[in-house]
Amino acid sequence: DAGVIQSPRHEVTEMGQEVTLRCKLISGHNSLFWYRQTMMRGLELLIYFNNNVPIDDSGMPEDRFSAKMPNASFSTLKIQPSEPRDSAVYFCASSLERGLLGTDTQYFGPGTRLTVL
Amino acid sequence: QKEVEQDPGPLSVPEGAIVSLNCTYSNSAFQYFMWYRQYSRKGPELLMYTYSSGNKEDGRFTAQVDKSSKYISLFIRDSQPSDSATYLCALSNAGGTSYGKLTFGQGTILTVHP
Repeated sequence: DAGVIQSPRHEVTEMGQEVTLRCKLISGHNSLFWYRQTMMRGLELLIYFNNNVPIDDSGMPEDRFSAKMPNASFSTLKIQPSEPRDSAVYFCASSLERGLLGTDTQYFGPGTRLTVL
Repeated sequence: QKEVEQDPGPLSVPEGAIVSLNCTYSNSAFQYFMWYRQYSRKGPELLMYTYSSGNKEDGRFTAQVDKSSKYISLFIRDSQPSDSATYLCALSNAGGTSYGKLTFGQGTILTVHP
């Protein structure tokens, strides 16, 4: 299996521009998590989905951030308009949630390093 | 107060030393306890996975959970330079409505020097 795939790996953009980050889940997984990592705040959960449905978006910092799962294997995280304080590494992770049978752990992608000038 | 507290270090040890990494937590609902390792400019990868209290050993690594004290530890024996990374503890409630959500510690930066 190829693991979680993220694109782009690096993104440099100017303040005010729209940024779209992409994530492909591991085949068969049904939960998808978006994280942001900075030195100051560590790894922060932004939003997560189960079976394409957003479960908890309380970590999304502002309305400028939005996330979608158009199908069971793919997700996007969009920032519009972007600001310099959005500069961070963005990870997505996927897992298999088995309900009462328990939860598999999360598998992380390689991350997208975003720099907003 | 954060749900999970982890000393960010940094921690620097000589090769061959025993390393002890720790997290404390406040939510007694946590039942799954994990340690992730993150190399520089990489995504976190699962290192150890334990359920409830007790010890689990995997090669040079031992994970320990004390639910009564709400304290988890990761021990690394005979540490190697290749162990230099950031170590993050991660905790989770049982399955079902949690959907596998993990609560992470801040991460401890470890350097093992030759």
